[in-house]
Order: sequence, then C-alpha cells, then structure tokens
Amino acid sequence: DVKVTQSSRYLVKRTGEKVFLECVQDMDHENMFWYRQDPGLGLRLIYFSYDVKMKEKGDIPEGYSVSREKKERFSLILESASTNQTSMYLCASSPTGTNQPQHFGDGTRLSIL
Amino acid sequence: GENVEQHPSTLSVQEGDSAVIKCTYSDSASNYFPWYKQELGKRPQLIIDIRSNVGEKKDQRIAVTLNKTAKHFSLHITETQPEDSAVYFCAASKTGNTGKLIFGQGTTLQVKP
Repeated sequence: DVKVTQSSRYLVKRTGEKVFLECVQDMDHENMFWYRQDPGLGLRLIYFSYDVKMKEKGDIPEGYSVSREKKERFSLILESASTNQTSMYLCASSPTGTNQPQHFGDGTRLSIL
Repeated sequence: GENVEQHPSTLSVQEGDSAVIKCTYSDSASNYFPWYKQELGKRPQLIIDIRSNVGEKKDQRIAVTLNKTAKHFSLHITETQPEDSAVYFCAASKTGNTGKLIFGQGTTLQVKP
C-alpha cells in the first residue's frame, strides 16, 4: 500500500518565519504535489514535480517554493510566512504514466500567528 | 484554463436514500476522472475512477457515469449509510499532463440516520 508521510500533523509558526513542510513517499513515484485546502475552495495546487530537481508552478505558487533533491522527498517552503497562509496543506504522489490516481498524505494543519 | 465545477456544495439525505454529485469539466481533452472521499480529519482517498473509453463504472453501492459530449460526470451512491458522510471531490486529468489533476470544489454529504 502506498504511504505518503507528512512530517507534522499540526504546526504553529510566527509571521515572517521561514517554514518547511516535508513529504516523503515510499512507492518510488515520479510525480509529487503540494495542495492547499481551505473551506469552500477545494484543493488548490501550489507546486508539483515530475522528477528530481524538476518543479512546476500550480495555480497558487505565490509566497511558496519547493525542493526535490531526492525522488522520495518533496518539500514545501514558505519563504516568509504570513497569516493568510494559515491552512491545511496536503501532499500527494502518483506514478508516471497515463491517468494514474494520486495518493495523499494526512495533511499538515499550519497556523501562522 | 482548465476548470472543474462541482455541485451541490452540500447535500443532506436520509439513510437509505440515494445521493448524486455532479461535475462539469471544461477541457474536452480530459480523459480520466477520479473521485475522492475525505472523512473528517483524514486524507482524501480514491473511491472510484473512470476513463473516457467507458460510460459507466460500478463498485458495490457507488457508481460513476460519464457523458463526454456534455463534458460532465456524476457520482451515484445508493442505499446511503451514516459512514458515507464525508466531503467528496471530483477531478479531471488528461494524457501528458504530468499526472496533474484539476479538482472540483468539493461536496459535503451528510447522511442522517
């Protein structure tokens, strides 16, 4: 069974801090994704990566960056956290190939004070 | 750009009744349509998916139908049970899109005992 692990379930940080959210998958998937989930807005794609060191912007990349140095690990970085980045963050992975489902982690509930 | 509209945003049914959630997609090249269920405090999990060469797919009490001409697809849950209460997300994808899914806004289903 695919396992996508996010490093923290809950995280509290202060405005202006640099925040790292980590995601690890154990199924050798090529594709990895970071989403933000807010009530009424569904799942919005922040960034995704289809290979090591490759990244592409999603729908809402402003204020975020990502890093993928190893295939199994995809990190989301909030360069200078702001209160409007308080949200639930979900990581997902999928194998390469046509039309494969994504597998999600448990999410990180991030609060910026 | 690519867009998926999902309706209704909330749905309340009595236990034993059927529930239907509808999604419309904008990109006619879309050919993969997964549905995810997210229980409170848990990760989204794939419950069923359909590819564009199929018009309908069933798995026990859940079924998905696809109308490529009208560019819409629907989730049908029969004989609903309280444990079906969750947020449901539809999504669409197309070949060569590096696994990227476009999600609908979500439907909160409440099944009353």
